[in-house]
Amino acid sequence: EAQVTQNPRYLITVTGKKLTVTCSQNMNHEYMSWYRQDPGLGLRQIYYSMNVEVTDKGDVPEGYKVSRKEKRNFPLILESPSPNQTSLYFCASSSYRDTGELFFGEGSRLTVL
Amino acid sequence: GDSVTQMEGPVTLSEEAFLTINCTYTATGYPSLFWYVQYPGEGLQLLLKATKADDKGSNKGFEATYRKETTSFHLEKGSVQVSDSAVYFCALSASGSARQLTFGSGTQLTVLP
Repeated sequence: EAQVTQNPRYLITVTGKKLTVTCSQNMNHEYMSWYRQDPGLGLRQIYYSMNVEVTDKGDVPEGYKVSRKEKRNFPLILESPSPNQTSLYFCASSSYRDTGELFFGEGSRLTVL
Repeated sequence: GDSVTQMEGPVTLSEEAFLTINCTYTATGYPSLFWYVQYPGEGLQLLLKATKADDKGSNKGFEATYRKETTSFHLEKGSVQVSDSAVYFCALSASGSARQLTFGSGTQLTVLP
């Protein structure tokens, strides 16, 4: 089954404790991206990657890091989480054909205390 | 820059009612327009799209027509079901690429039996 898998789905952590949200896709997609979803603000792009070893900032990259060492994986790293990073995070991917369709994971709800 | 404005939610309807969710956009040129849907506990998925003026996108009984003169892409369904309860996001891409999507803030729809 074609899918984008994120882990963990839910996480409660404390300020300053480094964490990683993993994302993996099994569709051989070149493009991957991270979004955060906040009430009233819709989805905002954090980082994206056009292919292995190619990453770039989205609209709200502050406080986040990413890496793309393998085509299927695109982890999101919060080096020192803060309460304003409490949000619902989505990983998404699309193929080189790029018909305009993004394939999303189920989301990771993060709470930073 | 590009932007998408959706009607404020939440929207609550009875089963078999007619649905309209308004969406207007601001963009230079001729963007492609999309509706994505997020069912409870899931990631977003593409519902329908239109790539040029006067195109009508349709899927699962939902329709939306690309109106360049009014810069709108309103989502409609003639008879909603309880299973249509979800958050609906209007989005645009200036290039038609999924890699350059701008999302609206989302509209929560609840359909009551």
